[in-house]
Amino acid sequence: TQLLEQSPQFLSIQEGENLTVYCNSSSVFSSLQWYRQEPGEGPVLLVTVVTGGEVKKLKRLTFQFGDARKDSSLHITAAQPGDTGLYLCAGLFSGTYKYIFGTGTRLKVLA
Amino acid sequence: GAVVSQHPSWVICKSGTSVKIECRSLDFQATTMFWYRQFPKQSLMLMATSNEGSKATYEQGVEKDKFLINHASLTLSTLTVTSAHPEDSSFYICSALDPSKNEQYFGPGTRLTVT
Repeated sequence: TQLLEQSPQFLSIQEGENLTVYCNSSSVFSSLQWYRQEPGEGPVLLVTVVTGGEVKKLKRLTFQFGDARKDSSLHITAAQPGDTGLYLCAGLFSGTYKYIFGTGTRLKVLA
Repeated sequence: GAVVSQHPSWVICKSGTSVKIECRSLDFQATTMFWYRQFPKQSLMLMATSNEGSKATYEQGVEKDKFLINHASLTLSTLTVTSAHPEDSSFYICSALDPSKNEQYFGPGTRLTVT
């Protein structure tokens, strides 16, 4: 059972466009992370959000944790070809160190 | 950032043989490491939690006798795929938890191909 659903699954956009990726669950997480993964490599951590309603910015990337800590979003402004990759959210259950990964969003930014 | 290494980065083996994959935390001690499996164009699926000095905790549906995990020291966990079959071919990724920062760091992954 996949607890974290990401949407969209695939996204192909032109350079300069904006986009939002969603990560949704019926479960409450104590924290949530976003990763980007390149083909043949391990995931690289982008951000960790902990507090409900929290917003974090990383250059052109804006991350938000839902008020109820069940969902999160990643917004990219003025996407660039270098943003191409697989974006993964991962939720941490309270009282554990175990992260459960979302279904993934594959982004392709065309020059 | 913290560095986690995996060895080998890729391996090809014959059906029926066993393959060992190492995961090392290079600049911190990790009492907890995780092993994931990733099929092409899919997300990561947690296989097991590796605990230093104790037995690993396996996720539902993961055969513990097939995927042997040993966390022999605070910097090393190994995953052995026993009697490998072509369906075991996958990208295996480990992560290590840095307890001082409460952050997990991923290794670069190991691509296993069973012929």
